Amino acid sequence: GNSVTQMEGPVTLSEEAFLTINCTYTATGYPSLFWYVQYPGEGLQLLLKATKADDKGSNKGFEATYRKETTSFHLEKGSVQVSDSAVYFCALRVNAGNMLTFGGGTRLMVKP
Amino acid sequence: DAGVIQSPRHEVTEMGQEVTLRCKPISGHNSLFWYRQTMMRGLELLIYFNNNVPIDDSGMPEDRFSAKMPNASFSTLKIQPSEPRDSAVYFCASSLQGSYGYTFGSGTRLTVV
Repeated sequence: GNSVTQMEGPVTLSEEAFLTINCTYTATGYPSLFWYVQYPGEGLQLLLKATKADDKGSNKGFEATYRKETTSFHLEKGSVQVSDSAVYFCALRVNAGNMLTFGGGTRLMVKP
Repeated sequence: DAGVIQSPRHEVTEMGQEVTLRCKPISGHNSLFWYRQTMMRGLELLIYFNNNVPIDDSGMPEDRFSAKMPNASFSTLKIQPSEPRDSAVYFCASSLQGSYGYTFGSGTRLTVV
C-alpha cells in the first residue's frame, strides 16, 4: 500500500535557524509528492509539490527535492521565522488517482 | 473565489444529540473529502465523493456517522447520536479530479459534552 512517514515533533528552533523535516514514503506506483502546512486554527494549505524524480518544489523559502532512490521528500528552509510556526504534512498521490495519503504531521515551533 | 466554506465553525452539543456539519466546495471541483483531526489520531479520511457519488467510506468510524452530497455544491456530515469521543475538528476539502491539490475549509470544531 501507500504510506508516508514523517519525523516526530515537535521541532523547536530559534528564529533564523535551518530547518529540516524528514519525510519518506512507500508507494505502489509512481507518486507525486506534496507538503501541506496548517497554521493554528486553519485548514491545510498546499505549500509545495514535485511530480517526478529530481524535481524540486519551492515556495515561501521552503524547498523539497523528490529523491526516488531514497524514497524521500525532506522539507528544508534556510532561515525560519516565528511566522513559520505551524504543523507540516507530507503527502503523496499515486498516478492519476485522486486520493492523497498524508503523513502524521510535524509541529514546528519557532522562538524569537 | 470564497474557497471551501464550512459551517458552523464551532459546535458544542450534548451527548446523544444529532450534529450536522455542512460544506460548500469550490465551484467546479468534482471531488469532496471529509477528514477528522484529533491530537491522538491525527488526520483521518472519513469519506470521499467523486461527482457527488460516495467512493470510499471505509474511514467512517461507525453507523452513527453518515454523509451525503445531494448536489455538486453541498455536502453534509451527520453524527447521531453524538458521543464525547467524537469531539474533534472536522475538515472538508475539495479538488478537481486529476489535479494536484486539495483545497481545505477552515474546519468545524466539534465538542460533545
